[in-house]
Amino acid sequence: SQTIHQWPATLVQPVGSPLSLECTVEGTSNPNLYWYRQAAGRGLQLLFYSVGIGQISSEVPQNLSASRPQDRQFILSSKKLLLSDSGFYLCAWRQGEGIQYFGAGTRLSVL
Amino acid sequence: KQEVTQIPAALSVPEGENLVLNCSFTDSAIYNLQWFRQDPGKGLTSLLLIQSSQREQTSGRLNASLDKSSGRSTLYIAASQPGDSATYLCAPLPGAGSYQLTFGKGTKLSVIP
Repeated sequence: SQTIHQWPATLVQPVGSPLSLECTVEGTSNPNLYWYRQAAGRGLQLLFYSVGIGQISSEVPQNLSASRPQDRQFILSSKKLLLSDSGFYLCAWRQGEGIQYFGAGTRLSVL
Repeated sequence: KQEVTQIPAALSVPEGENLVLNCSFTDSAIYNLQWFRQDPGKGLTSLLLIQSSQREQTSGRLNASLDKSSGRSTLYIAASQPGDSATYLCAPLPGAGSYQLTFGKGTKLSVIP
């Protein structure tokens, strides 16, 4: 069966520090991978998606970046965090037009 | 650009009641639609996926209907329980080969014991 792992669950970082969130998927090959952010009182915002290794599409220009070094690994990064980067980050995967599955999320607080 | 609206934004019902959550979308050219639930501080859990060619999809006490031509989907929850308390989100997929779901802001459901 397929599983998705996302870590860490909670992260507190100072402004200006770097960020690396990792997401891995098991039990499937060549999935579409997604990073979303959910801010309080706002809906899910798609940040990045990837349809293959090294292929990244950005939906929102900002100081975040994403990489897909392996087929089932998706990484969200920042060189310097802003206060506005605080939020709940969710990784997701989908195979074709099928069901989309989400990770448990990372709560990021930038202080 | 697809826009998704979910009404009501919040709903509180007594345990045992049947209820309907509404989802409307502006672009009816969709491939399928998913309903999710999200518990506080957790990720999203897929509940049902209904194909554009289907009118209904059922799983246990949940029944999702889809009227693509009018841009509407409903999620029916029978005999609600306190464990059903969560935020429910709908998300249509624009078309075959599309990569992005468009999410509504959700309906926050509270089932009172």
